[in-house]
Amino acid sequence: QSALTQPRSVSGSPGQSVTISCTGTSSDVDNSNYDSWYQQHPGKAPKLMIYDVNKRPSGVPDRFSGSKSGNTASLTISGLQAEDEADYYCCSYAGSYTWVFGGGTKLTVL
Amino acid sequence: EVEVLESGGGWVQPGGSLRLSCVSSGFTFSFFAMTWVRQAPGKGLEWVSGISGVGDTTDYADSVKGRFTISRDNSKNTLYLQMNSLGVEDTAVYYCAKVRAMDFDYWGQGTLVTVSS
Repeated sequence: QSALTQPRSVSGSPGQSVTISCTGTSSDVDNSNYDSWYQQHPGKAPKLMIYDVNKRPSGVPDRFSGSKSGNTASLTISGLQAEDEADYYCCSYAGSYTWVFGGGTKLTVL
Repeated sequence: EVEVLESGGGWVQPGGSLRLSCVSSGFTFSFFAMTWVRQAPGKGLEWVSGISGVGDTTDYADSVKGRFTISRDNSKNTLYLQMNSLGVEDTAVYYCAKVRAMDFDYWGQGTLVTVSS
């Protein structure tokens, strides 16, 4: 149950695009089509942003998109806005009611 | 409207026990798996435990296996986490979350557990 690997921080200016990567192993990300991404503002509960690799829940702006290649899932945020500044976590379903999170990435909007 | 509300957190000495509860509303509770996720102060999210909708299947992170027990009472729309042999490393905000399919679509606001002497 090793954590998925994410960059500790990324940054971008308003209007730019940023991509956050999430690298796993053959026991999680590589074999799972159930990668999800969560946004967490300070002091708040996490919020589901992407599920099943690239699907958005109702209400999540289409500026947020997900993709996957091999054992690396990615979250791209285009047209950065100030309110996007937050921590982002990837998560992969590892089977039998077991999940693993990434270490988290702090997004700074310059 | 879906609501998830945790309770039961607090201060406990090392070696002690605590039981967390999570009451849900706004959806058919027994249809959905549920999970506990925790976050130590200043740290990232850590998946703790999950349970199937009918409660017959459970699993745990290696860090809590043998010490924590997840359970649910579908007649009360309530999820539980019994935590025994607590250590300082268990200090965290504990979140309860509804499992949509293979992800977590509704989260509570969390309950803080502090293990300290």
